[in-house]
Amino acid sequence: QQQVKQSPQSLIVQKGGIPIINCAYENTAFDYFPWYQQFPGKGPALLIAIRPDVSEKKEGRFTISFNKSAKQFSLHIMDSQPGDSATYFCAASLGSWLTFGKGTLLTVNP
Amino acid sequence: NAGVTQTPKFQVLKTGQSMTLQCAQDMNHEYMSWYRQDPGMGLRLIHYSVGAGITDQGEVPNGYNVSRSTTEDFPLRLLSAAPSQTSVYFCASSYHGDQPQHFGDGTRLSIL
Repeated sequence: QQQVKQSPQSLIVQKGGIPIINCAYENTAFDYFPWYQQFPGKGPALLIAIRPDVSEKKEGRFTISFNKSAKQFSLHIMDSQPGDSATYFCAASLGSWLTFGKGTLLTVNP
Repeated sequence: NAGVTQTPKFQVLKTGQSMTLQCAQDMNHEYMSWYRQDPGMGLRLIHYSVGAGITDQGEVPNGYNVSRSTTEDFPLRLLSAAPSQTSVYFCASSYHGDQPQHFGDGTRLSIL
């Protein structure tokens, strides 16, 4: 049973574009929703996170939008740069561990 | 402050061999966990620990053992390696389960 569904699997945008990655979850008890960024050969690194009592959170060029009633959340990257090319994972937490989506490979072309 | 350190970075095993993947953190985090990452599957939790002496199973625990004798260390043991365990293994730590998790750079394991 996949509790966190992430789409799309891959995404290609031009520099300056606004890629959007979407996630949907099933368990309404999840109480923490982080996004991780992973570069090849490295471990995932926390990018930004949100809790369900907030509808939007912005940190620099990265924004999470959260829709509690729809059980969906999304990551927007403003003014995307080639250096943002990486794999992005959404996740949801219930207590002791994280449940991850399957990841989105983002390519930002110059 | 090294963060989360995993050793070895790469390992090749033969089916049936055993080995231990090491994980150490120097941030005094209580929570530590092991994930495996397979292509198209995201990261899946193997085992986790909420403190020294306490461990529990995650989503895919079969074939793996863990122990937590100190706050700093959380080794993962493969008792009898199988080709299905070929993967990249990540260790992570955090103050609490719903706080930002810090990941190591992984151990790339191939089982022939």
